[in-house]
Amino acid sequence: DVKVTQSSRYLVKRTGEKVFLECVQDMDHENMFWYRQDPGLGLRLIYFSYDVKMKEKGDIPEGYSVSREKKERFSLILESASTNQTSMYLCASRGPRGETQYFGPGTRLLVL
Amino acid sequence: AQRVTQPEKLLSVFKGAPVELKCNYSYSGSPELFWYVQYSRQRLQLLLRHISRESIKGFTADLNKGETSFHLKKPFAQEEDSAMYYCASPYNFNKFYFGSGTKLNVKP
Repeated sequence: DVKVTQSSRYLVKRTGEKVFLECVQDMDHENMFWYRQDPGLGLRLIYFSYDVKMKEKGDIPEGYSVSREKKERFSLILESASTNQTSMYLCASRGPRGETQYFGPGTRLLVL
Repeated sequence: AQRVTQPEKLLSVFKGAPVELKCNYSYSGSPELFWYVQYSRQRLQLLLRHISRESIKGFTADLNKGETSFHLKKPFAQEEDSAMYYCASPYNFNKFYFGSGTKLNVKP
């Protein structure tokens, strides 16, 4: 079974803090994703990566950056957290074309 | 870009009743469509995909290109089917677009 893990289930940060969310997958997938999940809005893609050091913007990249230094790890960075970034953040990985995405358990971030 | 819409935010049915969760897509061509489910306090997981034409947990979904729909159906709902359901489709290979989700509530 594919396993996707996220470093924290819950995080509380203050406005202006730098926040790191880590995601690790163990299936040697090339593709990894970061989403935020908000009620009524579904999942919105923030960034994705299709290879080490390669990244592309999703639909809502503003205020976020990412890092992929190793194939199994994909980090989401909030350079200066703001209250409107309070959300559930989901990481996912995907294998070859046609395959599903596998999701992590999510990190619920509260920015005060 | 391909878009996926789920018109119902909440669907309540009684146990044993048929259920249909609607999903429409906007795409000309051969779309790739998935249904994902998220049970309470669990991670999002694949329910089924159109390419495999399978039935999972009694659910089926048929791709209707004429109506550009991929509705999820189950003839007899169970209480354990209560969950959040998302329809999704990739565009540009890796950019998945998710619908806004439908919360299914199956009442006893």
